[in-house]
Amino acid sequence: SQTIHQWPATLVQPVGSPLSLECTVEGTSNPNLYWYRQAAGRGLQLLFYSVGIGQISSEVPQNLSASRPQDRQFILSSKKLLLSDSGFYLCAWGPQGYEQYFGPGTRLTVT
Amino acid sequence: AQKVTQAQTEISVVEKEDVTLDCVYETRDTTYYLFWYKQPPSGELVFLIRRNSFDEQNEISGRYSWNFQKSTSSFNFTITASQVVDSAVYFCALGDSNYQLIWGAGTKLIIKP
Repeated sequence: SQTIHQWPATLVQPVGSPLSLECTVEGTSNPNLYWYRQAAGRGLQLLFYSVGIGQISSEVPQNLSASRPQDRQFILSSKKLLLSDSGFYLCAWGPQGYEQYFGPGTRLTVT
Repeated sequence: AQKVTQAQTEISVVEKEDVTLDCVYETRDTTYYLFWYKQPPSGELVFLIRRNSFDEQNEISGRYSWNFQKSTSSFNFTITASQVVDSAVYFCALGDSNYQLIWGAGTKLIIKP
């Protein structure tokens, strides 16, 4: 069966510091991968998605970036965090189709 | 435009009551998919159901049922005999022709004991 891992679970970072969130998927190959952000009490905002190694599509211009160095690894990064980057970050994977399966998420607080 | 509307921001019912969560969608595609996800307080989104546009049969899974009506562009979700563990935010989503999900804003469901 497929499993998706995200870490860390929670993170508190000062403004201006770098960020690296990692997501890995087990039990499948060539998945679509997604990064979402959810502000407190709000809906889901798609940040990035990837259909293959090195292929990243950005949905929202911001100071975040994503990379996919391996087939089942998806990394979300920032060089300098802003207060507005606080939120709940969710990684998801999907087969070459529609449904998406989510990881446990990372709660990021920028202070 | 592709859009999903969940007009109910928050619903509160007493345990054992039936509750229906509404979802209305807009799409230009003739082939599309509709989804429901559950987000409990822990935060992780749980996939509940996928329905494609050619299958209008209602789906039942235990206490959960889904009513898909193309004529009204709706895909409503009913929980029968609600339980406290059903308390969560529920999201409806539409899969577009680019395999992206267009999300509704979510409905927060509170089940009171």
